[in-house]
Order: sequence, then structure tokens, then C-alpha cells
Amino acid sequence: QSVLTQPPSASGTPGQRVTISCSGSSSNIGSNYVYWYQQLPGTAPKLLIYRNNQRPSGVPDRFSGSKSGTSASLAISGLRSEDEADYHCAAWDDSLSGLFGTGTKVTVL
Amino acid sequence: EVQLVESGGGLVQPGGSLRLSCAASGFTFSNFAMSWVRQAPGKGLEWVSAISGSGDSTYYADSVKGRFTISRDNSKNTLYLQMNSLRADDTAVYHCAKDMALGVEFWFDPWGQGTLVTVSS
Repeated sequence: QSVLTQPPSASGTPGQRVTISCSGSSSNIGSNYVYWYQQLPGTAPKLLIYRNNQRPSGVPDRFSGSKSGTSASLAISGLRSEDEADYHCAAWDDSLSGLFGTGTKVTVL
Repeated sequence: EVQLVESGGGLVQPGGSLRLSCAASGFTFSNFAMSWVRQAPGKGLEWVSAISGSGDSTYYADSVKGRFTISRDNSKNTLYLQMNSLRADDTAVYHCAKDMALGVEFWFDPWGQGTLVTVSS
């Protein structure tokens, strides 16, 4: 099974904009929805973005998702200290299996 | 409030078996697909298995196919993962997660806190 590729780390100072990429293929991101999960240290993952670019209620509009072709991105604008966490993209694959990205650790400098 | 509580983890020898449970509350359990996702120490998330709301459809990662079996008892609002022929690389925290659809979509909200499975002699 293939994987979704993310950069291992990203960082920014408070107030900056940080973007995380997620690269897949035509059988997963290219033909299915992308989801993003935030995992704060020592906690279970939490839904951040669903169906490519939709925010659940309660998620600040500083978080936004997009998808183009076989890649997706998560943007965090107005970076805050509480955004320091691991971020995981995810997508279903046409081979009837689920895929998570390799994960990106965001550090607020 | 939607709640998922896993149990059944522990220390098991290589080749052994374990059954995980996930007790669900706060929603109509049979209306939603469910998944198991694991996270090895210091590693990323790995999807393990999924089951539709009715239980008629099941899906597995290649790494566990033929060794793990997912099931659900909608009368007890409980999800299960039977794990056989366990290996050291199955060591992880296992989370159950509620999908937001009857069929599997990978739209997980919420997740349980997880139960730790350690495979070691």
C-alpha cells in the first residue's frame, strides 16, 4: 500500500502563515476526499478539516484546506502557540484501504 | 456527548492473540462506520481496519490482513478487533474512531483515547 507524503516538520513565528503539503496519487487524493487531523502532544487525533476544505464547528477559520490533483495542503494563518502539534493528512484509496500521511510536526518559534 | 472507550490492550507474547473492544455511546451506533487506527511509539498514524455500519462490509490494511478481524455488535454498541499471530511490529496504541457516514469515508470524529498493545517476549 502506498503512503501520503508530508514534510516531517514545519515552523513559524506567532502570527505567521504555515503551509503543510500532502502528496498522493490518482488512486487516493486524486479521486477521494482529503481529511486533516491535529494531534496535540499526548492526546488522540482530532478532526481539523473534512472533505478537502470543510471545517467542523469549533475549528478556527485560521485553518484551511485545499486540494489540487493528487496533492492537498493545510494552511494555518495567524499561527498561535497552541497550534504546536502533529498534523496528519488522510484519504481513502481506491484499493479499498485507508491511508494516512507521514505526519508533520509544527513548531511555533 | 459522543464517547468512545477502548479496552483490552496489554502485554502479549509474539504469536499470541488479543481482542480489543471499543464501547460507544452518545449516538446511534449502527448508523455509522467505524475504524481502528494505530500509532506505534514515536511514529505516525496507520489505518488498520474499517467496518460499515451494518457490519456487512469490512476492510483491512495489507499489514494485518489474514491476522486481524474487525467486527461489531450493534445491540451492544461495541466495536471489536480480534488480533491473532501478533508480531513485535504490531506494538502500538490502538484507537477506535467513528466515521461520519454509514459507509467508510475516513471522516473520523471523534477518536477514542486508545489502548496500548505491546508485543514482546
